[in-house]
Amino acid sequence: DAGITQSPRHKVTETGTPVTLRCHQTENHRYMYWYRQDPGHGLRLIHYSYGVKDTDKGEVSDGYSVSRSKTEDFLLTLESATSSQTSVYFCAISGDRDIGEQFFGPGTRLTVL
Amino acid sequence: KQEVTQIPAALSVPEGENLVLNCSFTDSAIYNLQWFRQDPGKGLTSLLLIQSSQREQTSGRLNASLDKSSGRSTLYIAASQPGDSATYLCAIGTGTASKLTFGTGTRLQVTL
Repeated sequence: DAGITQSPRHKVTETGTPVTLRCHQTENHRYMYWYRQDPGHGLRLIHYSYGVKDTDKGEVSDGYSVSRSKTEDFLLTLESATSSQTSVYFCAISGDRDIGEQFFGPGTRLTVL
Repeated sequence: KQEVTQIPAALSVPEGENLVLNCSFTDSAIYNLQWFRQDPGKGLTSLLLIQSSQREQTSGRLNASLDKSSGRSTLYIAASQPGDSATYLCAIGTGTASKLTFGTGTRLQVTL
């Protein structure tokens, strides 16, 4: 299994509070991604990174920001959490652009009350 | 915008049957196609990856095909087992970072 960890694994927070989710990889892969999974919508891309300090928006980026200061860490921040951001968040990594296979972390279940 | 549809949404079969899961997509300009398995409350496990230049890939009892011209992929599972029970997700990779667009999945139950 690809070496991907996510922290925390579960979090309950209140509306309006900032939240940061962490994705850590031990594979030295170039590409990292954040997705959210919601019933009826499947998984949707939030943001992705193609190198240190290189990030771009995905399909559902509003209300989220990301940072990648080291190859191994990709942080997802909800500046002011809302109930619509209650979801399961998955991090994924991919190392070879020519192959493009993505490997997923175990997920973080976030509840915003 | 790429849209991915998976049919059926749910499927129940007896153990030992061969089965086919379907995935269709609207934009044929894809980089690759990936099939995943997801167990309840768990993350995604990559099953098969097909590059845009390939027609099929095989791994054990699994075979995935890709027809870009018709916008279709199928996942064939031979001799199904109860341990195959899970949700199967199809995802289309596009762009230089192979960003994935997912279908909503097929929930498979294999009964004894």
